[in-house]
Amino acid sequence: EVQLLDSGGGLVQPGGFLRLSCVVSGINFTTYAMSWVRQAPGKGLKWVAAISGDGDTTYYADPVKGRFTVSRDNSKNTLYLQLNGLRAEDTAMYYCANAQGNYWGQGTQVTVSS
Amino acid sequence: SYELTQPPSMSVSPGQTARITCSGDALPKQYGYWYQQKPGQAPVLVIYKDSERPSGIPERFSGSSSGTTVTLTINGVQAEDEAAYYCQSTDNSGTYNVVFGGGTKLTVL
Repeated sequence: EVQLLDSGGGLVQPGGFLRLSCVVSGINFTTYAMSWVRQAPGKGLKWVAAISGDGDTTYYADPVKGRFTVSRDNSKNTLYLQLNGLRAEDTAMYYCANAQGNYWGQGTQVTVSS
Repeated sequence: SYELTQPPSMSVSPGQTARITCSGDALPKQYGYWYQQKPGQAPVLVIYKDSERPSGIPERFSGSSSGTTVTLTINGVQAEDEAAYYCQSTDNSGTYNVVFGGGTKLTVL
């Protein structure tokens, strides 16, 4: 069974930081490009970032460029998203998924508020 | 920035056919993907590469593409199909830029 377990969300003040994690099991993690997708409360899905299977290539949506960093540790089957300089508009449920979209985590909530 | 346009809502009666459209200038060259999302749950892929159906997705779900529009068709809609549906694709910029449509809330009357 394929499982993606997101974690690391929480309540943080504006300007703060968080690191999200996604532990993957049931697939050959190294062969999958991975993505992060977020969803603000009551809103639609927004792509955030992606990373190649070997971790050498990363891509970002314009609203998070320069603030968020996607990375992976293939020895631990784990995907990360470092969130820096957080803003109120970053408040959302964050999902990890493989780039093909057929496997998703359950999401981890990030709330940015003073 | 690149956009995919979907109708915000749609209503159908059980047993009828629902057709949800998604329009974008890059769709003639880029594949369309469709996700179903029920409240409080993660999205589920129901169609990939315009018309392919993942294993485990009922046959009543199908996809098609024509010009700048991709369409998700649900034949014989059931009450359990009530959900938000999102299309997804990429633009023609040459960089990897994933875009989702705004979503269509399907109500089964």
